[in-house]
Amino acid sequence: AQSVTQPDIHITVSEGASLELRCNYSYGATPYLFWYVQSPGQGLQLLLKYFSGDTLVQGIKGFEAEFKRSQSSFNLRKPSVHWSDAAEYFCAVLTGTASKLTFGTGTRLQVTL
Amino acid sequence: NAGVTQTPKFRILKIGQSMTLQCTQDMNHNYMYWYRQDPGMGLKLIYYSVGAGITDKGEVPNGYNVSRSTTEDFPLRLELAAPSQTSVYFCASSRIDTQYFGPGTRLTVL
Repeated sequence: AQSVTQPDIHITVSEGASLELRCNYSYGATPYLFWYVQSPGQGLQLLLKYFSGDTLVQGIKGFEAEFKRSQSSFNLRKPSVHWSDAAEYFCAVLTGTASKLTFGTGTRLQVTL
Repeated sequence: NAGVTQTPKFRILKIGQSMTLQCTQDMNHNYMYWYRQDPGMGLKLIYYSVGAGITDKGEVPNGYNVSRSTTEDFPLRLELAAPSQTSVYFCASSRIDTQYFGPGTRLTVL
């Protein structure tokens, strides 16, 4: 069965520091992968997605993610974090029919000033 | 273009009461979904629909019902509310491969 693991429940970084959020997936075929962000009290917003092609994908708000098939990973990165990036981040994989998603349990990012 | 809208934003129910969570999308998407989000658990799929008149169970359907009479609307019904249904509920829609989410409904059952 498909699954997504986000090993870090909570991460704290200083404003201006770099960020990497980890995501590992389990999927038999070529995965379609997503990162979503959820600000407090809000819905989920799509940051970026990977379907095929270039393994480094660019998203909104200065985020990027790299697909590594050999490591079954799709880690999210940002070179310099802003205080407004504090939120919860979810990795997801497209699953089966009807474009269903399987989500990881999320990583909560705290940004210190 | 409002995207996916959900009402109400907040609701408190007593055990055994019923209610309907409303979801509407104006993007003409065929696929629609209902998720619940519990702390530390990510999002779990309750029900989904691939078009008007077609619905199917997701991972956690017990205690819920849905209908899809139009492309735009996908209401979620709780018939006999239980404390275990205290959660944040999200509706989403998709045309092909990318889901877009509503702002959520926070439900508390006491």
